[in-house]
Formats: sequence, structure tokens, C-alpha cells
Amino acid sequence: DAGVIQSPRHEVTEMGQEVTLRCKPISGHDYLFWYRQTMMRGLELLIYFNNNVPIDDSGMPEDRFSAKMPNASFSTLKIQPSEPRDSAVYFCASSLGLAYRELFFGEGSRLTVL
Amino acid sequence: AQSVTQLDSHVSVSEGTPVLLRCNYSSSYSPSLFWYVQHPNKGLQLLLKYTSAATLVKGINGFEAEFKKSETSFHLTKPSAHMSDAAEYFCVFASLFSGGYNKLIFGAGTRLAVHP
Repeated sequence: DAGVIQSPRHEVTEMGQEVTLRCKPISGHDYLFWYRQTMMRGLELLIYFNNNVPIDDSGMPEDRFSAKMPNASFSTLKIQPSEPRDSAVYFCASSLGLAYRELFFGEGSRLTVL
Repeated sequence: AQSVTQLDSHVSVSEGTPVLLRCNYSSSYSPSLFWYVQHPNKGLQLLLKYTSAATLVKGINGFEAEFKKSETSFHLTKPSAHMSDAAEYFCVFASLFSGGYNKLIFGAGTRLAVHP
């Protein structure tokens, strides 16, 4: 069975451009999480969904960030407009049930904003 | 406040020697605790978890961790390090918030280096 699939793996863009990161969770998982990892802040939870519904987006840095989950097999994280401080590795993870269960992580999307 | 603290940002060991990665937590509730490993340019992978069953938890790749309530600790150990163990390790705490849902709180990570 394929794991969590993220695309693109690497993205280099210029400040002000729109960035869209994509995630396909493991089939059958009902929770999906977006994390951001930086050297300064470590791993931060941005938002999570349960059955495609956003449950907690308190970690989203500001209005430039938005996330959607139109169906059980696809989610996007969008940054518009992007800024250099958004440079980070963005991880998508999914789980079956709550966080007491195992989280399965994708390999991440490394974003560089110039 | 609920939190998790990894006491060492870097640990360096020789191949074949024991590994000890330290983690302390703070919680008013009985916690669920996890160790995840992240190899370079990879996502995180679950090593082991504690969820109020046996206090000594065995994980993958020969790792184990012991939950000690009196010390509020959940240290990760391995008797003999292998070169492939070089990675970053995260101690993770499952925090129960009102409403019944929960979040994972990640420690800052410990980078393990293994030397020949």
C-alpha cells in the first residue's frame, strides 16, 4: 500500500508568487494533518481535518495560508502571496482515528521562497 | 501546562555502544507518549508508543523506552547503536484538550550521530 504522497517534493519560487502543495493521504484514513518544519521553530501543526472537515486551523500563520480537503483522498495547502519566511519543509500526515494512533507522514515538500 | 522537553539537542555515540535519548514531559493527565524518527530528507516514522499499558515499550529496530511517572520521563534506549540509526529523534506527547480531541506536541528533536 502506498504511503502518504506529497507533491511537489521541492519548490523554488519568488516572493509574491502563489504556492500550492498537495497531499494524498493513505486510503481509509480519516484524519489529515499539515505540519511545517523549520530549524527555528521545529515542527508546527498548521491545520488538521477529520473526514474532510477542518477541525483546528489555529496553527495557520496568517490569512496568506489556506488549506482545503475537497475529498477523502486529496488535500491542498496554498500560500498566496508567498514570502521568504515561508521557506520550510511542509509535511502532510494521515491517521486512522485520533492522534493516539500512529501518524503516517509523507516525505515532505521543501519550499524555498526567494 | 502540558509540554515535552528533549534534554539533548545532539548526541554522539560510537557504533556498537548504547544509545540514550532523554525526554521529560509535563502533564496533569495520564499522557500518551511517542518516539518518532526522521532520517535525512524523509518524513517522520513511528518508533514506539506508550498509551498506559506496559511501562516498558519495545519499538522497531531494537529501540525501547520506559515510562517513569515518578520522574515524568520517557527516555529512549538501544543497547547497541548501528550506523543506520543516525537520524533525528522526536519525543511526542498527545495532549488531551477539552472537547475530546487531541493534538500531538513535538519535542525539539535530538540529532543522533553514530561514528564508526
